[in-house]
Amino acid sequence: GENVEQHPSTLSVQEGDSAVIKCTYSDSASNYFPWYKQELGKRPQLIIDIRSNVGEKKDQRIAVTLNKTAKHFSLHITETQPEDSAVYFCAALGDYKLSFGAGTTVTVRA
Amino acid sequence: SAVISQKPSRDICQRGTSLTIQCQVDSQVTMMFWYRQQPGQSLTLIATANQGSEATYESGFVIDKFPISRPNLTFSTLTVSNMSPEDSSIYLCSVRSGGANQPQHFGDGTRLSIL
Repeated sequence: GENVEQHPSTLSVQEGDSAVIKCTYSDSASNYFPWYKQELGKRPQLIIDIRSNVGEKKDQRIAVTLNKTAKHFSLHITETQPEDSAVYFCAALGDYKLSFGAGTTVTVRA
Repeated sequence: SAVISQKPSRDICQRGTSLTIQCQVDSQVTMMFWYRQQPGQSLTLIATANQGSEATYESGFVIDKFPISRPNLTFSTLTVSNMSPEDSSIYLCSVRSGGANQPQHFGDGTRLSIL
């Protein structure tokens, strides 16, 4: 089955700086890669996704890049704000179901 | 996106008992899934709820322990049977509409504690 690895496990950034989270996947047939943000005690919330026919996608301060050859994808958050503090999960669609990374705890320091 | 209502939101149960968690969606969805999330951990798929047929379970999860129903395209239940403290976790319903590479959304989860 699909195996997703996510790095780093924790990330502390100064407010206004950028944050980058990287994920790799194992199944070359995977074609859909969503990112979820989970605040403490809340549900995982889909924040952005990318499909295999696209190399990059941007939504305001958030962008995701995909390198299918290398089987890795990344989340970029620019101009970080305190409300960006949360756990972020990457995922890859293998077969019909999502496999999730272990998560990255992002802390934005004011 | 679909509105997903999950209940109960939390419960405290005695070991050996069973609890049924309900997931109601405000529109018909193609896929419904049940996940478990242990404290500080990632999301682990328990099973895919199939309408009108037996659920598809992931490795390590069995029907006797986690029976699932899905009578229609908007509703599913997950039962946690014969609970032990190791079952203390958050259980999440998740749904997807349309094809496989369409967005998947989560309910608020059920926080379960076993004494």
